[in-house]
Amino acid sequence: GIQVEQSPPDLILQEGANSTLRCNFSDSVNNLQWFHQNPWGQLINLFYIPSGTKQNGRLSATTVATERYSLLYISSSQTTDSGVYFCAVGETSGSRLTFGEGTQLTVNP
Amino acid sequence: EADIYQTPRYLVIGTGKKITLECSQTMGHDKMYWYQQDPGMELHLIHYSYGVNSTEKGDLSSESTVSRIRTEHFPLTLESARPSHTSQYLCASSIGQTTSGNTIYFGEGSWLTVV
Repeated sequence: GIQVEQSPPDLILQEGANSTLRCNFSDSVNNLQWFHQNPWGQLINLFYIPSGTKQNGRLSATTVATERYSLLYISSSQTTDSGVYFCAVGETSGSRLTFGEGTQLTVNP
Repeated sequence: EADIYQTPRYLVIGTGKKITLECSQTMGHDKMYWYQQDPGMELHLIHYSYGVNSTEKGDLSSESTVSRIRTEHFPLTLESARPSHTSQYLCASSIGQTTSGNTIYFGEGSWLTVV
């Protein structure tokens, strides 16, 4: 099956800093989503982005499908951004998702 | 905000007990999923359903079973719980292929501890 690799595995920032999280995948995808899992385990969908660029407030994401990677940008980070960020991909638009191992982000005040 | 609910949120049970984790969604989604996640680790798909009376096993082998008798309801059952079943179980649903994509929504999770 498709392989998903996320980097870095852990990231510690000071409040206000910017960061970039990366997701590499091993095969063509028609479905790519970024999620944030808060410290209580709740997974929140951030972006559906199989290609192109999207922005939502301080977060933005870019997927370059031909080169099989996606980036999640967090600007002016806040302590509430802490948690685990997961990238998940699907080989077709309606297929189930395969998750990466996540990036553990800690934002210190 | 997604309307997908899981109960119980937290459960501690003894080895050998039968348990059912409930999952319901009010969005009319055809597709529903169960993922298993150990703390700090990635999610693994254990079951999914693309509609009523349709269930499939996921990528990770699991001793649990599921049923899909109604669109909105996708319960997961363990006939005889073991300590190795201790984990978080996440239910999710999606509408499928639309112009906005196959966005998947998760419940808050059920934390299961088997002692």
